Amino acid sequence: RKEVEQDPGPFNVPEGATVAFNCTYSNSASQSFFWYRQDCRKEPKLLMSVYSSGNEDGRFTAQLNRASQYISLLIRDSKLSDSATYLCVVNPGGGADGLTFGKGTHLIIQP
Amino acid sequence: ETGVTQSPTHLIKTRGQQVTLRCSSQSGHNTVSWYQQALGQGPQFIFQYYREEENGRGNFPPRFSGLQFPNYSSELNVNALELDDSALYLCASSSGSRYEQFFGPGTRLTVL
Repeated sequence: RKEVEQDPGPFNVPEGATVAFNCTYSNSASQSFFWYRQDCRKEPKLLMSVYSSGNEDGRFTAQLNRASQYISLLIRDSKLSDSATYLCVVNPGGGADGLTFGKGTHLIIQP
Repeated sequence: ETGVTQSPTHLIKTRGQQVTLRCSSQSGHNTVSWYQQALGQGPQFIFQYYREEENGRGNFPPRFSGLQFPNYSSELNVNALELDDSALYLCASSSGSRYEQFFGPGTRLTVL
């Protein structure tokens, strides 16, 4: 089983729609969780950290379910500029293990 | 606040050669991590440096080595380059192992 699994997509979504991604992780001892956004041929950029209580940043909402070992990202009122690859990221231990990335979910917002 | 910078932007090498990539961490950050991202894949952790010591390593062979300097900048060295080493090499800095990591723009290495 892969450590972090995501649906690669692509997700083709009309502008203004709501879209949700999930990912699952295998290491139950994982300490912290993130969503990163990566544009084509660019570096990953931190979108948001994910907390057990859930957190929201504008149009973006992230949730963590430790019991089921999955993480979700919800994007409301999607914009053309949201088109990117969204990487689900897990910090498996104390940090010195580095971040474990999923392969990413490709999102295309259509006008 | 200065972000993470990397040099060079692009590099072309031939099989068997050696390469050194450089990274300057974001101001205030003392931890640098290196990642390799092959086309269509998520980044893979190579190693992490904290206070000039390697304190974590992923599943990469010893020909991948690194350094961190007193100003927290870092180098990634790869010896005996192989074709499969062609990838985007990303450096990320953070204010400790447990904290959020911020990435530089990467160095795109092509091995012919």
